[in-house]
Amino acid sequence: ETGVTQSPTHLIKTRGQQVTLRCSSQSGHNTVSWYQQALGQGPQFIFQYYREEENGRGNFPPRFSGLQFPNYSSELNVNALELDDSALYLCASSLAVTSGQFFGPGTRLTVL
Amino acid sequence: GEDVEQSLFLSVREGDSSVINCTYTDSSSTYLYWYKQEPGAGLQLLTYIFSNMDMKQDQRLTVLLNKKDKHLSLRIADTQTGDSAIYFCAVLSGGYQKVTFGTGTKLQVIP
Repeated sequence: ETGVTQSPTHLIKTRGQQVTLRCSSQSGHNTVSWYQQALGQGPQFIFQYYREEENGRGNFPPRFSGLQFPNYSSELNVNALELDDSALYLCASSLAVTSGQFFGPGTRLTVL
Repeated sequence: GEDVEQSLFLSVREGDSSVINCTYTDSSSTYLYWYKQEPGAGLQLLTYIFSNMDMKQDQRLTVLLNKKDKHLSLRIADTQTGDSAIYFCAVLSGGYQKVTFGTGTKLQVIP
């Protein structure tokens, strides 16, 4: 059974650019959540997808958007990058959020 | 919205018990979790407890929940150097969608 994988591992962008981060969920998991973890902080909930529909959103602006595909893999897109978007972006999958989520290793995004 | 707080740092000697504490604000929180994050890695789910339980034990881990005081704790028995990591408390609220994490407690185990 494959765990949650994310790509790329690291990414460097400049302010104003756009970025797409990818996540493959654990086999059989139909729910994917994305989190932003700034240095020294806990993860902050961005949004959640369930069966290809957005199922909840945290306090992030519309330039953070996402997709979930029929195989339950997911993308996080961030437009008009700002310096404060520099963080570790974590994807987590679950069959039911109530029983806990399984996290990928994250994508470290640096915005210069 | 939900607010989850933890102390930032805990240092214990190898073989002792560690107790990591967490407080939260939303009384309607249903599930509460403990995650472990090692340097450069994602988060690993350690254990979770449903809000109608007071205690849950899983090998060296014991979770205590005081709903009245909105206080959650994680006790690690016989702490080992491999337990050195950041521990996050997390709370599920908002219609089974939003999980709110604390800022994490860095556990240092001294040999």
